[in-house]
Amino acid sequence: GAGVSQSPRYKVAKRGQDVALRCDPISGHVSLFWYQQALGQGPEFLTYFQNEAQLDKSGLPSDRFFAERPEGSVSTLKIQRTQQEDSAVYLCASSSYGHKNTEAFFGQGTRLTVV
Amino acid sequence: KQEVTQIPAALSVPEGENLVLNCSFTDSAIYNLQWFRQDPGKGLTSLLLIQSSQREQTSGRLNASLDKSSGRSTLYIAASQPGDSATYLCAVRQQNTDKLIFGTGTRLQVFP
Repeated sequence: GAGVSQSPRYKVAKRGQDVALRCDPISGHVSLFWYQQALGQGPEFLTYFQNEAQLDKSGLPSDRFFAERPEGSVSTLKIQRTQQEDSAVYLCASSSYGHKNTEAFFGQGTRLTVV
Repeated sequence: KQEVTQIPAALSVPEGENLVLNCSFTDSAIYNLQWFRQDPGKGLTSLLLIQSSQREQTSGRLNASLDKSSGRSTLYIAASQPGDSATYLCAVRQQNTDKLIFGTGTRLQVFP
């Protein structure tokens, strides 16, 4: 596709519910990132994939957070037993492989509200 | 641990002014620095990418400079317009990882 696509754009979840957020990266982009952005803050790193390999998951805040990219394209961020502090915008980004000096392109984000 | 700071946190100016937004970082071991724009409720739009070996990049009314040794970057916006109103974020890409580390942003309002 022309850009990074995320769905849904908005999600309201009851506390304790599981949610799944989807990211379609730019076609051919090997690197994929997930970020969490709280209101009024800059995005915080969650996890990073190169193809299907999850190379860094140091930013995932707890074991309730899980990300996968089984075929090296679409990625899903899953949050189990959501809590109010999980309310944030979740941003996905992709960039070309192997070149550290390439731009990262971001999707529109998914705004998660846990009530 | 890399820390990225942006000053000022907010800025309100009349249309036509030239602006300077500041970004500083504590660890100079970076591959590049990227400036983004974020409109309310939207994702991030890439404005400029400066590689670690470069000193500046220009795109239209925007000019970004990088002084890696002192850990500073500035985004210069010439002849500001109301359509420039948004939050501007800088981010550095760490060497040996692919993480982008963001600042907290500068919220810009340009009024007619």
